[in-house]
Amino acid sequence: DTEVTQTPKHLVMGMTNKKSLKCEQHMGHRAMYWYKQKAKKPPELMFVYSYEKLSINESVPSRFSPECPNSSLLNLHLHALQPEDSALYLCASSQVMDRVTPEAFFGQGTRLTVV
Amino acid sequence: GNSVTQMEGPVTLSEEAFLTINCTYTATGYPSLFWYVQYPGEGLQLLLKATKADDKGSNKGFEATYRKETTSFHLEKGSVQVSDSAVYFCALSYYGQNFVFGPGTRLSVLP
Repeated sequence: DTEVTQTPKHLVMGMTNKKSLKCEQHMGHRAMYWYKQKAKKPPELMFVYSYEKLSINESVPSRFSPECPNSSLLNLHLHALQPEDSALYLCASSQVMDRVTPEAFFGQGTRLTVV
Repeated sequence: GNSVTQMEGPVTLSEEAFLTINCTYTATGYPSLFWYVQYPGEGLQLLLKATKADDKGSNKGFEATYRKETTSFHLEKGSVQVSDSAVYFCALSYYGQNFVFGPGTRLSVLP
């Protein structure tokens, strides 16, 4: 199984809503990532979890709240978003290795629209 | 800081044409280098990678060689197909903790 599964594929939410994005992998990877991708732009790193602990937060606004409940799951909780937060949200995972960089495996993404 | 530069395109080719997408990077030390491909409406898929100087990554007819002397990792394919139409991202990383992506190159292959 080399898949990273993200749900839902599409999400429309109002600015006062609370929603969550989910990501799951069963490859035994201990690093998991959230990226945000705007149209015609490369992915931008938001958060990195390593061994279920938050290791990188790229100064993301607090209306985005990540959670890693176990080594296979990664959530992104959304609250009071703005229309400019509309984007494709990508989850990725990779091994954690010394000295060698393993590749990251990406999910299909959640297309988020904030209205 | 670390950065990746690549031709943004769009690049439009006829089927069976030769493809080159240039990628250069700025980094200290010896990062690993990657090419990812994104088909419309999908996430990113790893196309190939190289972890040290002079390594050649290859997959599905695509190739790229890690050139430290020119800090480059150009993507090539001898004969493109319509199904290769996608956005291609060059990226670098140290120890898998922070991938730095280039701006992406949109490729359109016409029949």
